[in-house]
Amino acid sequence: DVKVTQSSRYLVKRTGEKVFLECVQDMDHENMFWYRQDPGLGLRLIYFSYDVKMKEKGDIPEGYSVSREKKERFSLILESASTNQTSMYLCASSLGSGGGSPLHFGNGTRLTVT
Amino acid sequence: AQSVTQPDIHITVSEGASLELRCNYSYGATPYLFWYVQSPGQGLQLLLKYFSGDTLVQGIKGFEAEFKRSQSSFNLRKPSVHWSDAAEYFCAVGAQGTYKYIFGTGTRLKVLA
Repeated sequence: DVKVTQSSRYLVKRTGEKVFLECVQDMDHENMFWYRQDPGLGLRLIYFSYDVKMKEKGDIPEGYSVSREKKERFSLILESASTNQTSMYLCASSLGSGGGSPLHFGNGTRLTVT
Repeated sequence: AQSVTQPDIHITVSEGASLELRCNYSYGATPYLFWYVQSPGQGLQLLLKYFSGDTLVQGIKGFEAEFKRSQSSFNLRKPSVHWSDAAEYFCAVGAQGTYKYIFGTGTRLKVLA
């Protein structure tokens, strides 16, 4: 079974801090994704990566960056955290190309920015 | 534009009753369709998927879904709901040839004992 592990379940950070959210998958999946989940808005894609060092912007990339130095690890970076980035962040991975491969999700990181 | 609509934000059913969660999509070609479930404080877990072929798809935990092209729907069903099914359910469309997945806003299911 695919395991996607997010390093923190809960994080509390101050406005202006640089925040790192880490995600590791153990099934050699090419694709990794970062989503943000807010009530009533569903899941919104922040960034995704289809290979090491390759990344593409999703629907809401502003205020975020990502890093993928190794195939199994995909990091989301908040360069200067703001209160409107308080949210649940979900990492996911998938095998293969195109939209036909199911996403495998981590348990999420609930980030609070004060 | 591609979109996924889950018209019911909340649904409450009694334990043992049947369940149907609605999902409508807008997509130009034959879509890849998914249902996910999210228990409180957890990530999303895949329940089932439809790519092609038989329009009635069986999934885990006793769930099934039916693809109806004429109605652009992919409704999720379960004949008899258990208290442990209380969760939030998301319908999603995978766009062919891209890495884009479009999610509905979710339906929260409450189960009465």
